[in-house]
Amino acid sequence: QKEVEQNSGPLSVPEGAIASLNCTYSDRGSQSFFWYRQYSGKSPELIMSIYSNGDKEDGRFTAQLNKASQYVSLLIRDSQPSDSATYLCAVNSYFGNEKLTFGTGTRLTIIP
Amino acid sequence: DGGITQSPKYLFRKEGQNVTLSCEQNLNHDAMYWYRQDPGQGLRLIYYSQIVNDFQKGDIAEGYSVSREKKESFPLTVTSAQKNPTAFYLCASSHWDNEQFFGPGTRLTVL
Repeated sequence: QKEVEQNSGPLSVPEGAIASLNCTYSDRGSQSFFWYRQYSGKSPELIMSIYSNGDKEDGRFTAQLNKASQYVSLLIRDSQPSDSATYLCAVNSYFGNEKLTFGTGTRLTIIP
Repeated sequence: DGGITQSPKYLFRKEGQNVTLSCEQNLNHDAMYWYRQDPGQGLRLIYYSQIVNDFQKGDIAEGYSVSREKKESFPLTVTSAQKNPTAFYLCASSHWDNEQFFGPGTRLTVL
């Protein structure tokens, strides 16, 4: 059974600080990793994808992947109240399998 | 505008009824997916389709059916056999790179 684990939170971070969200996965063959943001009552929105070890930066967001430790994280710099949402980690095993396995999400609250 | 549309936004079903949720995309994506989300839980895959006229069961397919007659469309039918259908239903599509993009969702309630 492929699993993706996230700390459900809630995680509270002061405005302007760095929010750090973590995700571990059990399938060592996983190749593609995604972070989605989901506001309450809305559908998930893709914010980052990462495929190789290391860091990937996009604006205030940085995704970090460590395949040896089976760990992927999302850092949000200069956190804003609009970043308050649930963040979903999703993992895919590339070889012919296009299914994503989602974690249950971490609820993030940015405190003004 | 390119994107994924789902209709209706809200749907109410009586006991014993079949209902069909619509999903359409104009992104020219080959793969389409249906997920179910319950409060406080992650997304669970119901069905997915990688090409027209072909689809596979996901993790919770019982009580659901799909069709894929056109590349753009992937409707989901919630049958009376699904005993607990109240949930938020999400349709997604993707290219070969597996980045899945979601529609706005349909919230189904059983009366």
